[in-house]
Amino acid sequence: EADIYQTPRYLVIGTGKKITLECSQTMGHDKMYWYQQDPGMELHLIHYSYGVNSTEKGDLSSESTVSRIRTEHFPLTLESARPSHTSQYLCASSESWTNYGYTFGSGTRLTVV
Amino acid sequence: GEDVEQSLFLSVREGDSSVINCTYTDSSSTYLYWYKQEPGAGLQLLTYIFSNMDMKQDQRLTVLLNKKDKHLSLRIADTQTGDSAIYFCAESINRDDKIIFGKGTRLHILP
Repeated sequence: EADIYQTPRYLVIGTGKKITLECSQTMGHDKMYWYQQDPGMELHLIHYSYGVNSTEKGDLSSESTVSRIRTEHFPLTLESARPSHTSQYLCASSESWTNYGYTFGSGTRLTVV
Repeated sequence: GEDVEQSLFLSVREGDSSVINCTYTDSSSTYLYWYKQEPGAGLQLLTYIFSNMDMKQDQRLTVLLNKKDKHLSLRIADTQTGDSAIYFCAESINRDDKIIFGKGTRLHILP
């Protein structure tokens, strides 16, 4: 079944650790996105990609980095986690023509202690 | 600039109709969307409407679009406890090829 997967669902990690949040989709979508979601619900776009070897920063400045070596895979990395990185991270993808909307993963809830 | 506004909270009694409202600013929007987010989950696309349509109905969901006023609404008939969630309004911006999301409306169902 075509879908988008995020792992892990929950992660508690100590300050200063390096972490990678995984996102994979089986729909062959060219475009992929990472959002950070406040406890107050608002979504903030932090990274996006329009295809292999394409990555762009989003509207919200983030200390994370992303890579897009394969169409189906769009991991997000934090080199040194801090408590301010505690949040819900949502990955999404869309076809080249975005008018049919984005498909979202289930999210990773990250807690940095 | 591009902006999507919606109220943050709505409380409705079980069995009543829920109406969630949204306004947007970009007149070049081509598609408008409603997403639903249940606790601990990602966003699920509920329905979308093309900008040249006034209304779209899908079972208990009715979407109304007033393009002149740039106003979009989602009506949920016979609201049930399973409808308790956050609802996001969103618009597609063709020139930027991106989707802009509102801040979400938390729908609370009263017994």
